[in-house]
Amino acid sequence: DGGITQSPKYLFRKEGQNVTLSCEQNLNHDAMYWYRQDPGQGLRLIYYSQIVNDFQKGDIAEGYSVSREKKESFPLTVTSAQKNPTAFYLCATTPGAGEAFFGQGTRLTVV
Amino acid sequence: AQKITQTQPGMFVQEKEAVTLDCTYDTSDQSYGLFWYKQPSSGEMIFLIYQGSYDEQNATEGRYSLNFQKARKSANLVISASQLGDSAMYFCAMREGYNTDKLIFGTGTRLQVFP
Repeated sequence: DGGITQSPKYLFRKEGQNVTLSCEQNLNHDAMYWYRQDPGQGLRLIYYSQIVNDFQKGDIAEGYSVSREKKESFPLTVTSAQKNPTAFYLCATTPGAGEAFFGQGTRLTVV
Repeated sequence: AQKITQTQPGMFVQEKEAVTLDCTYDTSDQSYGLFWYKQPSSGEMIFLIYQGSYDEQNATEGRYSLNFQKARKSANLVISASQLGDSAMYFCAMREGYNTDKLIFGTGTRLQVFP
């Protein structure tokens, strides 16, 4: 089945630790996005990528890093520089025009 | 700068009634797309409806319709005949250009449908 897979569903991070969230798609879409959602709030754009080996910062990129080595994959690393990483993270893709398709999300908690 | 504004943090509607969720946007581009998504408590994002900036007709999808007023830069979602299962967060989103990059969201409106 075509779709977007985010893993893990739940992730716990210790203070000062880097963690990587996975996002894989088999929809053959060019554009991929990472969003952060805090409780009761909207989605804020962290990073996005239109093509392989290229990506741009969104509105809240500080403390995060990404790579786009393959069309299918757009992993997000939450670094120790991100002081308040507890949130729900959503990955999305778009085929160009038309709607965005979302993964099921990863809930990250700092312990 | 590109911006989406949803001014209603929460809305209540009685079952079987219609409800309008407000969305205004700001863009300097002539070509853009507007979207509405539903987010139930499970967290998944469900696409509801899309309106292109050059579309002359308001978009409709079943019980959902988009009241697009280009001059006022508004793209309100109308849900007719509300159902209990419509209770969720609703997000308005915009992408500038026809085949381009940045996709941004509003802060959302929490809709609660009561019997």
